[in-house]
Amino acid sequence: NAGVTQTPKFQVLKTGQSMTLQCAQDMNHEYMSWYRQDPGMGLRLIHYSVGAGITDQGEVPNGYNVSRSTTEDFPLRLLSAAPSQTSVYFCASREGPYGYTFGSGTRLTVV
Amino acid sequence: EDQVTQSPEALRLQEGESSSLNCSYTVSGLRGLFWYRQDPGKGPEFLFTLYSAGEEKEKERLKATLTKKESFLHITAPKPEDSATYLCAVQAVQGGSEKLVFGKGTKLTVNP
Repeated sequence: NAGVTQTPKFQVLKTGQSMTLQCAQDMNHEYMSWYRQDPGMGLRLIHYSVGAGITDQGEVPNGYNVSRSTTEDFPLRLLSAAPSQTSVYFCASREGPYGYTFGSGTRLTVV
Repeated sequence: EDQVTQSPEALRLQEGESSSLNCSYTVSGLRGLFWYRQDPGKGPEFLFTLYSAGEEKEKERLKATLTKKESFLHITAPKPEDSATYLCAVQAVQGGSEKLVFGKGTKLTVNP
């Protein structure tokens, strides 16, 4: 039981490049979400999904796309990276009333 | 607007010196209040969920309590390994959807 797995752990992009942050969970959780964590800002919700085929926007969705084709996977796509997207990204999942399980994060730098 | 405020931003304690962290919140449709521990370079680790005023939960040296407007994380006789950032979050309902709103955290340092 690996929990929530995020890849890659570190990534450097040039402005304008695109990439996908991967998130997979093996707990059969319906709810999955993506957060970004910036110094002094706390964790902010980017997008979330309540089940396969269903996604919705969070607090800071601009510049990011998501899809949910399976229960296990919830990738986050940056279409055209900008320096303002430099951050640490966390994926989380939960089931029912229990606490959210977070991945170990992806540290992204856009130069 | 749903909001979570944690205080203090940073707290430095001596080993064995008990203290409390505060989390005040304003939210419409509270579905739960969560406490997490985050170590540097790692994701948040779940500690507690509280659902109703008066509820208390304990785990080792940590005890979380909840009122209608705030939650406290009490740390009794802390050890250096308790050093971490402690995050508070509320699960709120907005437009029929549930969302987790985080505070900015309290960075706790426990000196030996």
